[in-house]
Amino acid sequence: GAGVSQSPRYKVAKRGQDVALRCDPISGHVSLFWYQQALGQGPEFLTYFQNEAQLDKSGLPSDRFFAERPEGSVSTLKIQRTQQEDSAVYLCASSFETGGYEQYFGPGTRLTVT
Amino acid sequence: GENVEQHPSTLSVQEGDSAVIKCTYSDSASNYFPWYKQELGKRPQLIIDIRSNVGEKKDQRIAVTLNKTAKHFSLHITETQPEDSAVYFCAAMNSGYSTLTFGKGTMLLVSP
Repeated sequence: GAGVSQSPRYKVAKRGQDVALRCDPISGHVSLFWYQQALGQGPEFLTYFQNEAQLDKSGLPSDRFFAERPEGSVSTLKIQRTQQEDSAVYLCASSFETGGYEQYFGPGTRLTVT
Repeated sequence: GENVEQHPSTLSVQEGDSAVIKCTYSDSASNYFPWYKQELGKRPQLIIDIRSNVGEKKDQRIAVTLNKTAKHFSLHITETQPEDSAVYFCAAMNSGYSTLTFGKGTMLLVSP
């Protein structure tokens, strides 16, 4: 079946612009995760959802970052007033359930803030 | 919170040799340990995982071992091939929290 998809794949934003990144998880997967991957580093946790409920947002770096999953399927990560330090690959992952189930990643959105 | 250390950061081997990547974790409550392979510009792909109720798991040329007492786990790749060249990430999870903490990655280069 189809894997996790993300759009856009690449986004260039001028400093101060708002951006919205979309994630379509694997159909039927309850849990959805957002990670940030800086160049040459491992993914770092941002936030996660179980269905439409955001259960953990402890990794969001500032109040400029906001995520939602209103119908428990597609999720959007929004970054307001982008800064250069926001430049990274934003990865989305989904899993069938919570609690130690395999997480499958999307291809990521590469955000470059100029 | 959890902290995962991964070594080495780069590893070069000849085709046919074995490769070993090691990780340590800090949270004794962590109980799920996946390994991901990431090729340049591609998504991380789950290649093998292990849960804390077993000490070793094998899948063809790859195996993972876990030592809960020492809080370390390792990835073993035998008979390496050039297509194994990629960055490999270990990760740890406390299933009560569901979030993965990743190591910084190991760039594996397999030369023909």
